[in-house]
Amino acid sequence: QKEVEQNSGPLSVPEGAIASLNCTYSDRGSQSFFWYRQYSGKSPELIMFIYSNGDKEDGRFTAQLNKASQYVSLLIRDSQPSDSATYLCAVTTGGGKLIFGQGTELSVKP
Amino acid sequence: EAQVTQNPRYLITVTGKKLTVTCSQNMNHEYMSWYRQDPGLGLRQIYYSMNVEVTDKGDVPEGYKVSRKEKRNFPLILESPSPNQTSLYFCASSGGTGVDQPQHFGDGTRLSIL
Repeated sequence: QKEVEQNSGPLSVPEGAIASLNCTYSDRGSQSFFWYRQYSGKSPELIMFIYSNGDKEDGRFTAQLNKASQYVSLLIRDSQPSDSATYLCAVTTGGGKLIFGQGTELSVKP
Repeated sequence: EAQVTQNPRYLITVTGKKLTVTCSQNMNHEYMSWYRQDPGLGLRQIYYSMNVEVTDKGDVPEGYKVSRKEKRNFPLILESPSPNQTSLYFCASSGGTGVDQPQHFGDGTRLSIL
């Protein structure tokens, strides 16, 4: 089993819809969770981070964390074509390690 | 401007010829890390450093070396590169308590080993 697993893409949603991106992780001791967005040929950029169970909202983005289920998700409301990118889930493990999922490609159709 | 700077951005070289990819950050961050990105595999951590003179292996350290002699610099060394090290490499840094803080990424270095 992979340490961090994301739902396989590509995910296609119409403009204005809600995009839901999911991530599961295997290390119960993980404390910090991140979502990065990566456009083709560019470096990852931070979208959200979350440390506690529950929801965290920032504009059109909501991160949800459930440590009991070892599950973290990212919701994008009112999806725009500019949201089309690959979304990377990242989870800290013991010490200073950061483990990334394989990424989910999102396509928002006008 | 706060940034992580990697050099070179692109490099084509041959098997066995030692190379160094430099990484420098101007944010006084204590934590720095190197990742490689391959299609279908996502980002994989090579090495990380939580402070000067402290380095640790990530998930894929074989064939790589790093050093952290000063806080701002974290070079990645391939002493005898092989074709399976052809990849896109990213350096990143974070402040505060380190890996629990968001990473700031450099623009990436695309390495081709022939």
